[in-house]
Amino acid sequence: GAGVSQSPSNKVTEKGKDVELRCDPISGHTALYWYRQSLGQGLEFLIYFQGNSAPDKSGLPSDRFSAERTGGSVSTLTIQRTQQEDSAVYLCASGVQREPQHFGDGTRLSIL
Amino acid sequence: EDQVTQSPEALRLQEGESSSLNCSYTVSGLRGLFWYRQDPGKGPEFLFTLYSAGEEKEKERLKATLTKKESFLHITAPKPEDSATYLCAVQVMDSSYKLIFGSGTRLLVRP
Repeated sequence: GAGVSQSPSNKVTEKGKDVELRCDPISGHTALYWYRQSLGQGLEFLIYFQGNSAPDKSGLPSDRFSAERTGGSVSTLTIQRTQQEDSAVYLCASGVQREPQHFGDGTRLSIL
Repeated sequence: EDQVTQSPEALRLQEGESSSLNCSYTVSGLRGLFWYRQDPGKGPEFLFTLYSAGEEKEKERLKATLTKKESFLHITAPKPEDSATYLCAVQVMDSSYKLIFGSGTRLLVRP
């Protein structure tokens, strides 16, 4: 069946520009997560959406990062005024509460 | 602070040479422990979930075990296609179901 889909797969942009990353979760999965994987580091939690509940934004590193999930399905992660330290692979996962999360292949973001 | 530590960072094995990867954790309350496999340029692929001490799960050449302080991923008679990064993550007893990951073990199996 269809897995988690992320787009674009690669994004190169200049410092100071805004970027939007998209995630299409597995159909029927009520939970959606964003993680960041920086070179040489583990996966770092960013934000969690569960149904119509208020999102858990505790992992967002600064107010330049925001995310939304429309209609309980597609999610967009937005990074404003990008900095070089934002370069990383941004991974989206979906699941159902305590059940295993299923990951997309990520968006590799490079800030010049 | 909830923490996950994996060892070794990297492991080289000959084909057929069995070994184990370690994941030790310190958490306020464990909801579940997850093992993932990650290939270069890909997202993590789910392998196992363990929920309570003493639990074991098996899949082909892999076997995961759990105690109150750590988990092991045993690889029996590995093949070159088992080469990947193996990630351990915990889910803690809070309102979020987020995963806290270790930094992974890079496994290389030589033919």
